[in-house]
Formats: sequence, C-alpha cells, structure tokens
Amino acid sequence: DGGITQSPKYLFRKEGQNVTLSCEQNLNHDAMYWYRQDPGQGLRLIYYSQIVNDFQKGDIAEGYSVSREKKESFPLTVTSAQKNPTAFYLCVSSWTFYSNQPQHFGDGTRLSIL
Amino acid sequence: KNEVEQSPQNLTAQEGEFITINCSYSVGISALHWLQQHPGGGIVSLFMLSSGKKKHGRLIATINIQEKHSSLHITASHPRDSAVYICAFGNEKLTFGTGTRLTIIP
Repeated sequence: DGGITQSPKYLFRKEGQNVTLSCEQNLNHDAMYWYRQDPGQGLRLIYYSQIVNDFQKGDIAEGYSVSREKKESFPLTVTSAQKNPTAFYLCVSSWTFYSNQPQHFGDGTRLSIL
Repeated sequence: KNEVEQSPQNLTAQEGEFITINCSYSVGISALHWLQQHPGGGIVSLFMLSSGKKKHGRLIATINIQEKHSSLHITASHPRDSAVYICAFGNEKLTFGTGTRLTIIP
C-alpha cells in the first residue's frame, strides 16, 4: 500500500544536539511538506518542496534544515539553533504544490528535549 | 489576525447525537480540507471540497463559498468518532485551524 512513513515515532534530543526526522513516501508525489504542531495551535509550515532538488522556507524555518535529493525522501533536521524544538512534527505529501490536492499525512514524530 | 476560526473548540455529546463542527475563513480559497486527528497524533484526510457538499458514510461536509464557511456533520455519532477535527484551507499553502476536540460518550 502507498503511503508516508515517518520515523522515529518518538525522539529525544539533548541540548546542543542536531537530530534528523525521516520522511519517506511511495506515492510518487512531487510536493512534500514539514509541519510543526504545538498544543492549542494550528499546524505551521516549516519547509516545503515542490520537486526533487528544490525546497523553500515556510513560515517558521529558523533552526531547521531539509534536503530533497530523492523524490521519495524529505528529511528534516532540527538544529541546535532551534531553541524550542519540543513539538509534534508531521510530514505531508501531495501530487503538486496546490491546496486543491488531496493531502497525505504521516503518523508524526514527537520530539522532546532531555 | 485569525484567518480561520473553528467552533466549538470542544464538544461533548452522547452517542447517537447529530454533530456539527464549523469553520469560517477570511480569504478566497481554492479548496477546503477537513481532517481527523486521533489521540496518537496521526491525521487522516476526510474531505477536500471547493463547492457544495460531500458525503462519506456518516460524515457530511458542506461549504458556502460566498459566506466563507464550511461545516462538518456527523450523523448517529459513535465513541469511535472521538477525535480532533481540523479544517484547513488555501490556494497554494494551507492554513490550518486549531481544531475541535470531539468526545462522544457511550
């Protein structure tokens, strides 16, 4: 079955450490997105990629980095520059980068600071 | 400025009741999505609509483009419907509401 796989489900980061969240899709989608979810807030866009080898900053990109070297993979690195990384992170994909496309969600990664 | 407003924020109902969740947005859009988030965090897309009404099982979604308003209805609600329901809209990027937490009591 096609879908999006995020790993790990839970992740713990020490102060000053970079961590990478994995997102893989086998839906052959061009567009992929990373969102952050905090309690009481709507999902906020961190980075998005419309096509392989291209990505753009979203609304809250500071302290994060991404790559899109393969169509199916869009890993997110939370760097030590992100001062408040504790959140739920969701990876999403769609055929193209337009809101009138069905959105496919991963199961999320919950990141906590030790 | 809140571009999207969902109401109510929390809703508790008895099993079997008819449920309505509302979403109002402030700008023109090309599509509106209704999403369901279960306690574990995973999100499932329920509907994507740009006009009129869609139905899937006991769920019905409607949208009024002129009034910039959408509703999600659940008929014959069941405890397994307990979840957070989120609306999202946009033209390119999506803007997400904060969600309505629905609890159905047996």
